[in-house]
Amino acid sequence: QKEVEQNSGPLSVPEGAIASLNCTYSDRGSQSFFWYRQYSGKSPELIMFIYSNGDKEDGRFTAQLNKASQYVSLLIRDSQPSDSATYLCAVISPDSNYQLIWGAGTKLIIKP
Amino acid sequence: GAVVSQHPSRVICKSGTSVKIECRSLDFQATTMFWYRQFPKQSLMLMATSNEGSKATYEQGVEKDKFLINHASLTLSTLTVTSAHPEDSSFYICSASQTGIGYEQYFGPGTRLTVT
Repeated sequence: QKEVEQNSGPLSVPEGAIASLNCTYSDRGSQSFFWYRQYSGKSPELIMFIYSNGDKEDGRFTAQLNKASQYVSLLIRDSQPSDSATYLCAVISPDSNYQLIWGAGTKLIIKP
Repeated sequence: GAVVSQHPSRVICKSGTSVKIECRSLDFQATTMFWYRQFPKQSLMLMATSNEGSKATYEQGVEKDKFLINHASLTLSTLTVTSAHPEDSSFYICSASQTGIGYEQYFGPGTRLTVT
């Protein structure tokens, strides 16, 4: 059973600070890594995807991938109350028949 | 770019009736479309994967005769819940990938189904 693990939280971060969300995965052959944001009662929204080791930056968001340690993280700089949501990590591997394997999500709360 | 729409956003139906949900990719051609179900405070559960013009592949435990999927074109997939029962009440979400499986999926806004 391929697994993706996330701390369920809630993770509370003061407004303006950096929020750091982490995700570990069990399948060393995983190839594609995604971060989605889901507001309560809404569908997931793709925030970042990363395929190669290292960092990928997009605005206030940075995804970090470390395949040797089998973790992927998402940093949110200058956190805003509107960033409060559940962040879902998803991974694709050949062994999952290329389907997304989802983490349970981390609830992030940005406190004004 | 990469916008996916769903219709209807909410539907209430009586037990025993059928409901059709449409999923459209508005600004790209979707090689593959996916259907998910999500119960309150639970994770997304993949129901099926479909490619245009071919039969959908259902996940284990999902009844293909109850959840009919038609992927008629590169921009449209439909999910029909047949003979709906209260336990089918859930949040149904489609997603689409323009480059096929193994790549990023873009999600529709979801359809909240309530069966009375």
